[in-house]
Amino acid sequence: GAVVSQHPSRVICKSGTSVKIECRSLDFQATTMFWYRQFPKKSLMLMATSNEGSKATYEQGVEKDKFLINHASLTLSTLTVTSAHPEDSSFYICSASGTSGRYNEQFFGPGTRLTVL
Amino acid sequence: GENVEQHPSTLSVQEGDSAVIKCTYSDSASNYFPWYKQELGKRPQLIIDIRSNVGEKKDQRIAVTLNKTAKHFSLHITETQPEDSAVYFCAASIDTGTASKLTFGTGTRLQVTL
Repeated sequence: GAVVSQHPSRVICKSGTSVKIECRSLDFQATTMFWYRQFPKKSLMLMATSNEGSKATYEQGVEKDKFLINHASLTLSTLTVTSAHPEDSSFYICSASGTSGRYNEQFFGPGTRLTVL
Repeated sequence: GENVEQHPSTLSVQEGDSAVIKCTYSDSASNYFPWYKQELGKRPQLIIDIRSNVGEKKDQRIAVTLNKTAKHFSLHITETQPEDSAVYFCAASIDTGTASKLTFGTGTRLQVTL
């Protein structure tokens, strides 16, 4: 149990376009989802926390108008990178926490590698 | 906010030897400390965690110790095997009973050589 999926796994886009990444909890209800960014050989940096049905809480330094997060249901959260630029290229990972596992336990998705040309 | 430091950044051990990774945290309110293993291009996998009401926890070859006074916690892997090679991250958070954000350490690249 406690499976989190992400789609797409890889995406290449042109500079200036928008990209949407989906994060789904497949076998449990995710009341909270987290979005992280990871640069090569670096740690996971939390971008934002989203609770189902409410606005996301962004970490300091993360532009909320550039990284749009929607957590419309208990099984789906989306991250949209708007007007992407090469510096947005990174590995984006979501995690979900909710009705599976022990409370506070986060289950991670497989990640999405974004390359902006 | 919370700040987690982790060292060493790289660690090479021979198969069968033990490996120790250490982390320190800054926020005395933190009370939940998970450890994750991440293989290249893969998702982080929780391998063990500890809460502040205990000082040590063990699961087969893996153990974690916590010193609340000194605000540091450590991961111990005994009888290392090649498949233990990966990047290990420590993290800290304040467990309020609902999901709370994790602050990750900088990671340790463990290589187990034959």
